[in-house]
Amino acid sequence: KNQVEQSPQSLIILEGKNCTLQCNYTVSPFSNLRWYKQDTGRGPVSLTIMTFSENTKSNGRYTATLDADTKQSSLHITASQLSDSASYICPSESGNMLTFGGGTRLMVKP
Amino acid sequence: DAGVTQSPTHLIKTRGQQVTLRCSPKSGHDTVSWYQQALGQGPQFIFQYYEEEERQRGNFPDRFSGHQFPNYSSELNVNALLLGDSALYLCASSGDQTGGEQYFGPGTRLTVT
Repeated sequence: KNQVEQSPQSLIILEGKNCTLQCNYTVSPFSNLRWYKQDTGRGPVSLTIMTFSENTKSNGRYTATLDADTKQSSLHITASQLSDSASYICPSESGNMLTFGGGTRLMVKP
Repeated sequence: DAGVTQSPTHLIKTRGQQVTLRCSPKSGHDTVSWYQQALGQGPQFIFQYYEEEERQRGNFPDRFSGHQFPNYSSELNVNALLLGDSALYLCASSGDQTGGEQYFGPGTRLTVT
């Protein structure tokens, strides 16, 4: 069964600071690894997509890493902005189905 | 391109009633997936439709059913509503050209009283 665990559950940082969010999987194999940003009450928006063979992918201030051996992924946010306040979720993908963890709720304070 | 659209935005129903939610996929996408997201939780996969057939289903009871139309739009139906069905219902579309990436709509907020 695909399981996704995310940490921390919530995080508060000051504007301009960096932070790192973690995602652990208990699934094998998986095809792609994705990170999504979800504003409250809205649908998730894709931030990065990595294939199994990639170990890092950047999208502006967002950098995702993947350790396929340990099935761990991280999302590093650089120079945080108030608009980064949201939930961040990292589903595992198996076949046609995405399995999501509970997400990390990030709050950026001025 | 309007992206994935869902209707209605919000909905309030009473226990025992039935509800239908609608989704129009992004232009060029032929696959529609539905997810249920309870408050403070990650989305949970309900089912996926492709070529008007249910291709894969998550761990949801038969009260949850769906349909896909020839124009690829989709409906999610929930019968005999329970209080626990209150959630944000998300629709996501994808296609061969997206490499499987799913694009999510804004969701329908269902409240069951």
